[in-house]
Amino acid sequence: AQRVTQPEKLLSVFKGAPVELKCNYSYSGSPELFWYVQYSRQRLQLLLRHISRESIKGFTADLNKGETSFHLKKPFAQEEDSAMYYCALLTDKLIFGTGTRLQVFP
Amino acid sequence: DAGVIQSPRHEVTEMGQEVTLRCKPISGHDYLFWYRQTMMRGLELLIYFNNNVPIDDSGMPEDRFSAKMPNASFSTLKIQPSEPRDSAVYFCASSLGRGHEKLFFGSGTQLSVL
Repeated sequence: AQRVTQPEKLLSVFKGAPVELKCNYSYSGSPELFWYVQYSRQRLQLLLRHISRESIKGFTADLNKGETSFHLKKPFAQEEDSAMYYCALLTDKLIFGTGTRLQVFP
Repeated sequence: DAGVIQSPRHEVTEMGQEVTLRCKPISGHDYLFWYRQTMMRGLELLIYFNNNVPIDDSGMPEDRFSAKMPNASFSTLKIQPSEPRDSAVYFCASSLGRGHEKLFFGSGTQLSVL
């Protein structure tokens, strides 16, 4: 079965603390994975994709095929990172996880 | 470009009524998607179109839901009759080519069925 699991509904940290948003996937093929973000009162938008191996707004995500994970990380969280984050898996369509709300307190 | 445009932004209706949600994709995009967002289930794909043709409607919850795309610039999602459990935010998104990974989302329609 094709599935994306985000085990945490809410993650709260203080500014400056490291952040890791967990994402695990289930897929028999070669996975293509993404992180989407929805800031307050803004549209859902693409944050980063694993094939680009890029760092966006200080966030990185590494695909670990052995653990079937694609966790999103940032070493020092900022208040403006507070948002809803969705991990997504591309098969013949884009399958999203249930999302994790990140709250960064001052 | 104004991006993907959805209307209405908010819809409050009573159980049993028909609800129609509308979407205008980005001009030139050939894929259109309808998603439903709830706290419990996150973002669920309901249906998607390619060149106005429905490709996969396996996510449509039941026969009460239907979607159409009469032309490249307009799509509707209809719920008839509506039920309280349909209350959610419904998003429309579009993309160019098989680039499903870069979806451009609308602002969503917040539906409340009383």
